[in-house]
Amino acid sequence: DGGITQSPKYLFRKEGQNVTLSCEQNLNHDAMYWYRQDPGQGLRLIYYSQIVNDFQKGDIAEGYSVSREKKESFPLTVTSAQKKPTAFYLCASSIILSGGQGRYNEQFFGPGTRLTVL
Amino acid sequence: GIQVEQSPPDLILQEGANSTLRCNFSDSVNNLQWFHQNPWGQLINLFYIPSGTKQNGRLSATTVATERYSLLYISSSQTTDSGVYFCAVRGSGGGADGLTFGKGTHLIIQP
Repeated sequence: DGGITQSPKYLFRKEGQNVTLSCEQNLNHDAMYWYRQDPGQGLRLIYYSQIVNDFQKGDIAEGYSVSREKKESFPLTVTSAQKKPTAFYLCASSIILSGGQGRYNEQFFGPGTRLTVL
Repeated sequence: GIQVEQSPPDLILQEGANSTLRCNFSDSVNNLQWFHQNPWGQLINLFYIPSGTKQNGRLSATTVATERYSLLYISSSQTTDSGVYFCAVRGSGGGADGLTFGKGTHLIIQP
């Protein structure tokens, strides 16, 4: 059963505490992404990775860290420097194809993790 | 960076009605996707449509890349169509590989 899984579904963090959100995909996709959604808003890019052992900052990388040791896994650590009280974190993945029709990189999303700071 | 504007921000319709959602973007794109976010937060892929027209059942989408807009059509609305619809793009001018999202259209279908 192919797809993207995220865990946990709900997470509570105390101020000053680091927490790690899990994202796994078995779609054999090359690229993986982390987005944050604040209440009533669209999604914003935190980090992305196109290949193992390489990742790039997105628009709101401050207070976050990532690793990409395996193609199927892209964990996100929310550090104590991240001050947002509550947000919804979504992981995505895509295959990247370049050819005559241009660049194809349709993204698919996991179910998300809702993080609350106590 | 690229800007994405969606309209209208909110839309309330009766079951059976048709609707058109609009997405304007500020630069050329090589990826444009429409999503439906359900009440549990899951983003459901509706269309991958950087240009042209596609149809899937009661839903269809058109992107006019040269004029920098995309439209999502929903016909014969059902209550299960309720939720937030997002347009997201990736600019073709390089830069980050991720998507830039609009703020969404919140659609409510009343029985």
